[in-house]
Amino acid sequence: AQSVTQLGSHVSVSEGALVLLRCNYSSSVPPYLFWYVQYPNQGLQLLLKYTTGATLVKGINGFEAEFKKSETSFHLTKPSAHMSDAAEYFCAVTDYSSASKIIFGSGTRLSIRP
Amino acid sequence: EAGVTQSPTHLIKTRGQQATLRCSPISGHTSVYWYQQALGLGLQFLLWYDEGEERNRGNFPPRFSGRQFPNYSSELNVNALELEDSALYLCASSLLRQVNTGELFFGEGSRLTVL
Repeated sequence: AQSVTQLGSHVSVSEGALVLLRCNYSSSVPPYLFWYVQYPNQGLQLLLKYTTGATLVKGINGFEAEFKKSETSFHLTKPSAHMSDAAEYFCAVTDYSSASKIIFGSGTRLSIRP
Repeated sequence: EAGVTQSPTHLIKTRGQQATLRCSPISGHTSVYWYQQALGLGLQFLLWYDEGEERNRGNFPPRFSGRQFPNYSSELNVNALELEDSALYLCASSLLRQVNTGELFFGEGSRLTVL
């Protein structure tokens, strides 16, 4: 079964600084990989996804993530943080052996300092 | 196109009571998922319905139940409420063929508070 690890439950960066949110998955079989974002008092929305092909995936709001099979990682980055990026970010992977078919990480809360 | 809608937005109940939460999926989506998001616990999978059938359930007691109606809307029922049931309950929908690709469309959630 898959597992997803998001390093750091809370990340704080200054406005304009690089954003790096880490995600590692467990399986040696490349799954489909996702990042979802949850703004305060809202549901989750898809930020970006990797299925096949190019390993660098671009998403909405200037975010991108790179699938690295050798490191079983799918870290999320944004070159310059904006105050509006403050939210909770969830990494997710497909796991066809699980009841839900998709496994979510525990989430990383991103705070932006003025 | 309307997104996933959930009602009520907020619900306050006391211990032992029952709560009913409702979800309308995106038009054309046949699969509905329910998740519990309690403070500090991330997203916990509750139930998955497709075409009116319960496909799978997570590791929750039987007092968490639900159903899916012919129009694909869904209801989550929580009986004998306990304080730890206080959480944001999220509904998500997808086309069945999208389930394997993991792309889910979420509603804004129903916040249940148990006093």
